[in-house]
Amino acid sequence: GDSVTQMEGPVTLSEEAFLTINCTYTATGYPSLFWYVQYPGEGLQLLLKATKADDKGSNKGFEATYRKETTSFHLEKGSVQVSDSAVYFCARSNTGNQFYFGTGTSLTVIP
Amino acid sequence: SAVISQKPSRDICQRGTSLTIQCQVDSQVTMMFWYRQQPGQSLTLIATANQGSEATYESGFVIDKFPISRPNLTFSTLTVSNMSPEDSSIYLCSVRQAGANVLTFGAGSRLTVL
Repeated sequence: GDSVTQMEGPVTLSEEAFLTINCTYTATGYPSLFWYVQYPGEGLQLLLKATKADDKGSNKGFEATYRKETTSFHLEKGSVQVSDSAVYFCARSNTGNQFYFGTGTSLTVIP
Repeated sequence: SAVISQKPSRDICQRGTSLTIQCQVDSQVTMMFWYRQQPGQSLTLIATANQGSEATYESGFVIDKFPISRPNLTFSTLTVSNMSPEDSSIYLCSVRQAGANVLTFGAGSRLTVL
């Protein structure tokens, strides 16, 4: 069935390090893909999205490219900051109303 | 995007009691949803709250356990009934506005059942 698999955490990085959080999906058709971020004590916020193959979503220095050939949507950032510490969720939606979320990856950035 | 207010933000409850969570949106929205986020797990959709009619529940969730109301296009409630420790979780309200393929979430209600 339709699902999202993302890299397990927790991930701990030093400030200014490069970040990659892997995400792959299974789906029929052509889903839209998302990354959501959940800062401590808050709800999920949309970080970025891509709606078709080869689209690149970007926001706050984060990027992810919709790769249909590898069914992936990996999240990257070239230089993380302490304020990026949060839980990151990969998600996809189908043509209906259903959203599928990954299990979340906890990121801690240390000074 | 819509702004969602949820309350309570957290609560500690006794086994066997019920708790109602409220979700207020600052604009009219077509779709409202309730999710559960258990510790270390992904978000699970409980149900779609339908305005003026019964909610649509996902597999594994039933109305007797999670009654939902949605009297208008800006407000919904989720009740967790006859709680047990297994119901300890974060419950999230989310909305999807017409024409937008994006979910917006409230801050969540963290429920601990003793």
